[in-house]
Amino acid sequence: GDSVTQMEGPVTLSEEAFLTINCTYTATGYPSLFWYVQYPGEGLQLLLKATKADDKGSNKGFEATYRKETTSFHLEKGSVQVSDSAVYFCALRALLNDYKLSFGAGTTVTVRA
Amino acid sequence: DTGVSQDPRHKITKRGQNVTFRCDPISEHNRLYWYRQTLGQGPEFLTYFQNEAQLEKSRLLSDRFSAERPKGSFSTLEIQRTEQGDSAMYLCASSPSGVRTGELFFGEGSRLTVL
Repeated sequence: GDSVTQMEGPVTLSEEAFLTINCTYTATGYPSLFWYVQYPGEGLQLLLKATKADDKGSNKGFEATYRKETTSFHLEKGSVQVSDSAVYFCALRALLNDYKLSFGAGTTVTVRA
Repeated sequence: DTGVSQDPRHKITKRGQNVTFRCDPISEHNRLYWYRQTLGQGPEFLTYFQNEAQLEKSRLLSDRFSAERPKGSFSTLEIQRTEQGDSAMYLCASSPSGVRTGELFFGEGSRLTVL
Protein backbone atom coordinates (compact mmCIF):
# COMPACT_ATOMS: atom_id res chain seq x y z
CA GLY A 1 0.00 0.00 0.00
CA ASP A 2 0.91 3.66 -0.01
CA SER A 3 3.38 4.65 2.67
CA VAL A 4 5.80 7.33 3.73
CA THR A 5 9.07 6.89 5.59
CA GLN A 6 10.71 9.91 7.12
CA MET A 7 13.83 10.53 9.10
CA GLU A 8 13.49 9.78 12.76
CA GLY A 9 14.07 12.49 15.28
CA PRO A 10 14.36 14.27 17.42
CA VAL A 11 16.57 16.79 15.71
CA THR A 12 18.18 19.61 17.69
CA LEU A 13 19.84 22.49 15.90
CA SER A 14 21.25 25.90 16.64
CA GLU A 15 19.72 29.00 15.08
CA GLU A 16 20.89 29.66 11.52
CA ALA A 17 21.84 26.03 11.00
CA PHE A 18 20.85 24.08 7.90
CA LEU A 19 17.97 21.65 8.27
CA THR A 20 17.24 18.57 6.20
CA ILE A 21 14.51 16.05 6.93
CA ASN A 22 14.52 13.04 4.66
CA CYS A 23 11.29 11.59 3.30
CA THR A 24 10.78 8.70 0.90
CA TYR A 25 7.53 7.23 -0.30
CA THR A 26 5.98 4.15 -1.82
CA ALA A 27 2.91 4.61 -3.97
CA THR A 28 1.27 3.43 -7.15
CA GLY A 29 1.41 6.03 -9.87
CA TYR A 30 2.20 9.64 -9.14
CA PRO A 31 0.94 10.83 -5.79
CA SER A 32 0.79 14.39 -4.57
CA LEU A 33 3.33 15.05 -1.83
CA PHE A 34 3.00 17.31 1.18
CA TRP A 35 4.85 18.56 4.21
CA TYR A 36 2.65 19.42 7.17
CA VAL A 37 3.87 21.13 10.32
CA GLN A 38 2.51 21.03 13.84
CA TYR A 39 3.66 23.86 16.08
CA PRO A 40 3.34 23.38 19.85
CA GLY A 41 -0.29 23.60 20.91
CA GLU A 42 -1.59 24.03 17.37
CA GLY A 43 -3.20 21.87 14.72
CA LEU A 44 -1.54 20.43 11.65
CA GLN A 45 -1.09 22.93 8.88
CA LEU A 46 0.19 22.63 5.37
CA LEU A 47 3.75 23.85 4.93
CA LEU A 48 4.26 23.09 1.24
CA LYS A 49 3.29 20.66 -1.49
CA ALA A 50 4.28 19.32 -4.90
CA THR A 51 1.90 17.60 -7.25
CA LYS A 52 4.12 16.19 -10.01
CA ALA A 53 7.66 15.06 -10.61
CA ASP A 54 10.36 17.75 -10.43
CA ASP A 55 7.96 20.23 -8.84
CA LYS A 56 9.48 22.25 -6.04
CA GLY A 57 7.27 23.32 -3.18
CA SER A 58 8.38 26.25 -1.07
CA ASN A 59 7.08 28.29 1.84
CA LYS A 60 8.54 30.21 4.79
CA GLY A 61 12.08 29.51 3.58
CA PHE A 62 11.46 25.75 3.39
CA GLU A 63 11.81 23.84 0.13
CA ALA A 64 11.20 20.30 -1.07
CA THR A 65 11.56 18.83 -4.55
CA TYR A 66 9.47 15.92 -5.83
CA ARG A 67 12.04 13.36 -7.04
CA LYS A 68 10.37 10.54 -8.91
CA GLU A 69 13.61 8.69 -9.63
CA THR A 70 14.46 8.39 -5.94
CA THR A 71 10.83 8.50 -4.68
CA SER A 72 11.84 11.24 -2.28
CA PHE A 73 10.59 14.60 -1.04
CA HIS A 74 13.23 15.86 1.37
CA LEU A 75 12.53 19.04 3.31
CA GLU A 76 15.27 21.67 3.58
CA LYS A 77 15.77 25.08 5.10
CA GLY A 78 18.99 26.99 4.84
CA SER A 79 18.84 28.93 8.11
CA VAL A 80 16.45 27.85 10.84
CA GLN A 81 14.97 30.04 13.55
CA VAL A 82 13.71 29.23 17.02
CA SER A 83 10.20 29.69 15.66
CA ASP A 84 10.74 26.69 13.36
CA SER A 85 10.66 24.37 16.35
CA ALA A 86 7.81 21.99 15.57
CA VAL A 87 6.92 18.48 14.43
CA TYR A 88 7.18 18.00 10.67
CA PHE A 89 5.18 15.36 8.80
CA CYS A 90 5.71 14.15 5.28
CA ALA A 91 2.53 12.89 3.59
CA LEU A 92 1.22 11.65 0.29
CA ARG A 93 -2.16 11.64 -1.38
CA ALA A 94 -2.40 8.84 -3.92
CA LEU A 95 -3.94 9.05 -7.34
CA LEU A 96 -6.56 6.37 -6.74
CA ASN A 97 -7.32 6.75 -3.03
CA ASP A 98 -7.40 10.51 -3.19
CA TYR A 99 -9.51 10.78 -0.08
CA LYS A 100 -6.65 9.68 2.16
CA LEU A 101 -3.45 11.32 3.29
CA SER A 102 -0.79 8.82 4.35
CA PHE A 103 1.58 10.35 6.87
CA GLY A 104 5.06 9.57 8.03
CA ALA A 105 5.75 9.24 11.74
CA GLY A 106 6.85 12.84 12.11
CA THR A 107 10.18 14.45 12.97
CA THR A 108 10.47 16.70 16.01
CA VAL A 109 12.76 19.65 15.40
CA THR A 110 14.03 21.87 18.21
CA VAL A 111 16.00 24.99 17.37
CA ARG A 112 18.08 26.52 20.15
CA ALA A 113 18.90 30.21 20.31
CA ASP B 1 -12.24 32.27 12.87
CA THR B 2 -13.59 30.07 10.09
CA GLY B 3 -11.26 27.09 10.46
CA VAL B 4 -12.08 23.55 11.53
CA SER B 5 -13.18 23.39 15.14
CA GLN B 6 -13.34 20.36 17.41
CA ASP B 7 -14.97 19.81 20.76
CA PRO B 8 -14.04 18.88 23.41
CA ARG B 9 -10.34 19.53 23.19
CA HIS B 10 -9.60 17.05 25.92
CA LYS B 11 -11.67 14.23 27.35
CA ILE B 12 -10.73 11.98 30.25
CA THR B 13 -12.93 8.95 30.75
CA LYS B 14 -12.95 5.62 32.47
CA ARG B 15 -12.66 2.38 30.58
CA GLY B 16 -16.02 1.15 29.40
CA GLN B 17 -17.62 4.58 29.08
CA ASN B 18 -18.86 6.08 25.83
CA VAL B 19 -17.45 9.30 24.44
CA THR B 20 -18.48 11.55 21.57
CA PHE B 21 -16.43 14.11 19.70
CA ARG B 22 -17.77 16.83 17.48
CA CYS B 23 -16.21 18.46 14.44
CA ASP B 24 -17.35 21.58 12.63
CA PRO B 25 -15.62 21.81 9.25
CA ILE B 26 -15.00 24.84 7.11
CA SER B 27 -18.48 25.67 5.88
CA GLU B 28 -17.97 25.38 2.14
CA HIS B 29 -16.06 22.08 2.32
CA ASN B 30 -17.88 18.97 1.11
CA ARG B 31 -15.42 16.47 2.50
CA LEU B 32 -14.81 15.75 6.15
CA TYR B 33 -12.20 13.35 7.50
CA TRP B 34 -11.39 11.75 10.82
CA TYR B 35 -7.84 10.72 11.72
CA ARG B 36 -6.29 9.27 14.83
CA GLN B 37 -2.84 10.17 16.09
CA THR B 38 -1.01 8.31 18.83
CA LEU B 39 2.11 9.53 20.57
CA GLY B 40 5.14 9.55 18.33
CA GLN B 41 3.19 8.58 15.24
CA GLY B 42 1.70 10.36 12.29
CA PRO B 43 -2.05 10.68 11.87
CA GLU B 44 -3.83 7.58 10.58
CA PHE B 45 -6.93 7.75 8.44
CA LEU B 46 -10.15 6.52 10.04
CA THR B 47 -13.01 7.57 7.78
CA TYR B 48 -14.33 10.29 5.52
CA PHE B 49 -17.59 11.83 4.35
CA GLN B 50 -18.61 13.40 1.10
CA ASN B 51 -21.46 15.63 2.24
CA GLU B 52 -23.57 13.34 4.46
CA ALA B 53 -22.40 10.06 2.92
CA GLN B 54 -19.72 8.04 4.67
CA LEU B 55 -17.71 6.73 1.73
CA GLU B 56 -14.75 4.96 3.26
CA LYS B 57 -13.81 3.45 6.58
CA SER B 58 -10.42 2.19 7.68
CA ARG B 59 -9.89 -1.22 9.24
CA LEU B 60 -8.81 0.79 12.29
CA LEU B 61 -12.42 1.76 12.82
CA SER B 62 -13.72 -1.11 14.92
CA ASP B 63 -17.40 -1.81 15.60
CA ARG B 64 -17.16 0.32 18.72
CA PHE B 65 -16.57 3.40 16.60
CA SER B 66 -19.30 5.19 14.70
CA ALA B 67 -19.18 8.45 12.80
CA GLU B 68 -22.01 10.51 11.41
CA ARG B 69 -22.50 13.66 9.42
CA PRO B 70 -26.26 13.93 9.40
CA LYS B 71 -26.81 17.08 7.38
CA GLY B 72 -23.52 17.28 5.60
CA SER B 73 -22.25 19.91 7.97
CA PHE B 74 -20.85 18.99 11.39
CA SER B 75 -19.78 15.45 12.23
CA THR B 76 -19.64 13.34 15.37
CA LEU B 77 -17.34 10.46 16.23
CA GLU B 78 -18.59 8.19 18.98
CA ILE B 79 -16.55 5.54 20.72
CA GLN B 80 -18.49 3.02 22.74
CA ARG B 81 -17.11 0.97 25.61
CA THR B 82 -13.79 2.76 25.52
CA GLU B 83 -10.57 0.84 26.04
CA GLN B 84 -7.19 2.13 27.14
CA GLY B 85 -5.91 1.53 23.61
CA ASP B 86 -8.34 4.18 22.38
CA SER B 87 -6.28 6.86 24.10
CA ALA B 88 -5.12 9.12 21.27
CA MET B 89 -5.62 12.46 19.60
CA TYR B 90 -8.63 12.42 17.25
CA LEU B 91 -8.20 14.84 14.40
CA CYS B 92 -10.85 16.18 12.10
CA ALA B 93 -10.08 17.74 8.73
CA SER B 94 -12.06 19.10 5.83
CA SER B 95 -11.47 19.91 2.18
CA PRO B 96 -13.32 20.76 -0.98
CA SER B 97 -14.21 17.66 -2.99
CA GLY B 98 -12.57 16.76 -6.25
CA VAL B 99 -9.31 18.55 -5.54
CA ARG B 100 -6.90 15.67 -5.41
CA THR B 101 -3.88 17.88 -5.11
CA GLY B 102 -5.34 20.13 -2.51
CA GLU B 103 -4.63 20.35 1.15
CA LEU B 104 -6.65 19.12 4.05
CA PHE B 105 -7.46 21.67 6.73
CA PHE B 106 -7.10 20.22 10.19
CA GLY B 107 -8.64 21.12 13.51
CA GLU B 108 -6.61 21.21 16.70
CA GLY B 109 -7.81 17.78 17.70
CA SER B 110 -9.62 16.15 20.59
CA ARG B 111 -7.37 14.31 22.99
CA LEU B 112 -8.87 11.23 24.60
CA THR B 113 -7.42 9.71 27.75
CA VAL B 114 -8.95 6.43 28.89
CA LEU B 115 -8.12 5.49 32.46
